[in-house]
Amino acid sequence: DVKVTQSSRYLVKRTGEKVFLECVQDMDHENMFWYRQDPGLGLRLIYFSYDVKMKEKGDIPEGYSVSREKKERFSLILESASTNQTSMYLCASREQNIQYFGAGTRLSVL
Amino acid sequence: KQEVTQIPAALSVPEGENLVLNCSFTDSAIYNLQWFRQDPGKGLTSLLLIQSSQREQTSGRLNASLDKSSGRSTLYIAASQPGDSATYLCAAQHSKAAGNKLTFGGGTRVLVKP
Repeated sequence: DVKVTQSSRYLVKRTGEKVFLECVQDMDHENMFWYRQDPGLGLRLIYFSYDVKMKEKGDIPEGYSVSREKKERFSLILESASTNQTSMYLCASREQNIQYFGAGTRLSVL
Repeated sequence: KQEVTQIPAALSVPEGENLVLNCSFTDSAIYNLQWFRQDPGKGLTSLLLIQSSQREQTSGRLNASLDKSSGRSTLYIAASQPGDSATYLCAAQHSKAAGNKLTFGGGTRVLVKP
């Protein structure tokens, strides 16, 4: 079974903090994605990566950056967290056009 | 720009009834369409993937159809059970999108009452 693991289920951070969300997949997938999910807005793509050290902006990259130093790990970074980044963050990896999702990280920025 | 819509946003049915979930997309030049299930507070689980060249896919009680010309996909769940209660999302992978990213619908929240 494909396993995509997000390091935290719940996080509470303060405005201005630097926040790291970690995602690890165990199936040697090349493509990995970060989404946020908000009520009424659905899932929106933040960034994706198709190889180590490669990254592409998604639909809403502002306020975020990513890191892919190893194939299995894709990190989402909030350089200076703001209250409008309170959301559910979902990581996914892809093989043969099927995306496999992690359980999600619910981030609250106070 | 591809837009994916799911109507209704919520649906409640008695146990045993068949479920019909709708998904429409504006650009018919899709590469594939994928259906997901999401339980409250959790990630998404892939249910079915239909390639653009296919008309339908089946897995157990689930059947998904695809009509590119009309921009629609339908997910059928036969003989619904309370365990089918969840939010169901469809997502279109666009042929021309950079990185072949997915465009998601807003989801249909399903409640199956015992």
